[in-house]
Amino acid sequence: AQSVSQHNHHVILSEAASLELGCNYSYGGTVNLFWYVQYPGQHLQLLLKYFSGDPLVKGIKGFEAEFIKSKFSFNLRKPSVQWSDTAEYFCAVNGVSGGYQKVTFGIGTKLQVIP
Amino acid sequence: DGGITQSPKYLFRKEGQNVTLSCEQNLNHDAMYWYRQDPGQGLRLIYYSQIVNDFQKGDIAEGYSVSREKKESFPLTVTSAQKNPTAFYLCASTGLNRNTEAFFGQGTRLTVV
Repeated sequence: AQSVSQHNHHVILSEAASLELGCNYSYGGTVNLFWYVQYPGQHLQLLLKYFSGDPLVKGIKGFEAEFIKSKFSFNLRKPSVQWSDTAEYFCAVNGVSGGYQKVTFGIGTKLQVIP
Repeated sequence: DGGITQSPKYLFRKEGQNVTLSCEQNLNHDAMYWYRQDPGQGLRLIYYSQIVNDFQKGDIAEGYSVSREKKESFPLTVTSAQKNPTAFYLCASTGLNRNTEAFFGQGTRLTVV
């Protein structure tokens, strides 16, 4: 069964600090991995995705993530966070279960950036 | 504009009543999903559908039912059998290419009193 684990449930950082949010997945097939962000009061939206090629993927607003197949990980990073990055971040895997496409999310990480 | 519309945004129901949440998309997506979002529990999959008249149970399907009579529509019914129905419900859709991202509606906050 496919699953996603996010280890940091609540992170508090000062502005300009570096960010790394952990994501590990369990899925036996070809992975398609995503990070979504939910700003307060807004829809979930795509931050970045990986499906093949360069394991280091860049997304919007300076975010990047690295796919490490041997560790089943897809950690999200940003070198210097801003107050506007305060949001909830979700890692997700899009896999196939019983012949059906299925998107599974992690528990989410709430990021609070202090000015 | 293409997108997903969930209605209503807020819904109140008395305990013991069934209630149906609407989800409509005009993105021509084949796959649609219903998630429940609770604090500290992330997004948990309730039901998903890949084609019209076919749908699969997700991880927490008990007490819920769905239909997929049209490609654009995937309504969710929260039945009286759902023990803890008060929650935030999100509808999403994707294309069948697994590279594509999921698009989400604005969500419906259901409160059962």
